[in-house]
Order: sequence, then C-alpha cells, then structure tokens
Amino acid sequence: SAVISQKPSRDICQRGTSLTIQCQVDSQVTMMFWYRQQPGQSLTLIATANQGSEATYESGFVIDKFPISRPNLTFSTLTVSNMSPEDSSIYLCSVDEVRNEQFFGPGTRLTVL
Amino acid sequence: KQEVTQIPAALSVPEGENLVLNCSFTDSAIYNLQWFRQDPGKGLTSLLLIQSSQREQTSGRLNASLDKSSGRSTLYIAASQPGDSATYLCAANTGANSKLTFGKGITLSVRP
Repeated sequence: SAVISQKPSRDICQRGTSLTIQCQVDSQVTMMFWYRQQPGQSLTLIATANQGSEATYESGFVIDKFPISRPNLTFSTLTVSNMSPEDSSIYLCSVDEVRNEQFFGPGTRLTVL
Repeated sequence: KQEVTQIPAALSVPEGENLVLNCSFTDSAIYNLQWFRQDPGKGLTSLLLIQSSQREQTSGRLNASLDKSSGRSTLYIAASQPGDSATYLCAANTGANSKLTFGKGITLSVRP
C-alpha cells in the first residue's frame, strides 16, 4: 500500500489565520481525498483532488474556505482559511488504490484558539 | 443518500473473548465496504476491504462479512487482546468517484 505523510502533524493557530496542510504520497495516484474529523465525530469528506483539474467539493464545503492544490500525482495541499474555533479538527488525506481501497495519512490535528 | 450506522458506540470485553462489531448501511448499491481501525489521535489503518461481489474477507484474527441485500456488514475479532483496543470504523463506497461514507465508529476496550 502507498505510504502517506502529512505536515504538520499538529498545530495550534489563532482565530482569523490560515493553515496549509501538505499530503505527500510515495507513489503516483490519480485520486486524493481530504477528510475532516471533528472532535468525537466520524470522518466527513471535504473534497476530491484530481491532478490537472479543479477539486470537487462536497455539500457544505467551499473553495474559498478550503482551497486545495494538486500540482502533481504525489502531492496535494489543503488550506484552512480564516480559521475559527469550529475548524478545530483532525484533517486527513487519503488515496484510492487498486480495487478502490483507500489508505489514509496520519492526520493533522488542528486547534484554533 | 447513503447513511452508515454502527451500534453500539462503545464496547468493553474481557481479554480472550470473541466479538462481533456491526455496521449497517441504507443504500445496498455499494461498490465495496472497508473496515478501519483508529487509535486515539491517529489516522486510519485499513483492516479489510470487501468488494460488492464478495461475502467475506479474512486477515489473521479478523473476519469481515458483507450482506448487501440486508445492508449489513460485521467484523469478527477472534480471541481479543488488549492491543485490539481502538475505534473501529466501517465505510461504504458508493462507487461514485470512490466517495466513502463513514459510520461513527465503535470504541472497543479489551480488559486484561
């Protein structure tokens, strides 16, 4: 399976600022996904990031708040913009491999004060 | 819209017990179903993937079954160990751009 890393692993940010999370995969993959896991909750898909096209956002998530880049087949970034305490969550990237099995990165734990 | 339910939310068992974790989904038109393990504050580890054409998958002490017609999947853990303590999540893949819909998870505690 693909090895996925995320940076930073955790961060504490001030309200109104932005944070960019990086996701690096050790092999080329077509589809990458960004999920959010709010405290005590399950995972919710934010968007699908495909190389060479605009990200596809799920209902309730917008590009201005969560801009995504996918410059190549091994890398993606998610920015959380104009943060508020409600954005405090674990953010995870995942990739879709053979047989449509998904593998996840270790996550980025974000706390907004 | 697919909805995935996992009940109960938490489970505590003594070491050595065999146990079954349940997962139900509303839309039987799934592409596959995946079980994950999540340790506190960590990412997800894929445990088992069952394709829609399969009935079950096994890996070590874990066995996952799938019954599409009834909208249910189970994860069987044999001879549970304290190291199995974690949250177990199931996720249904509807096939539409590989979108996963997750249940809320079952937090398992295995007492020594």
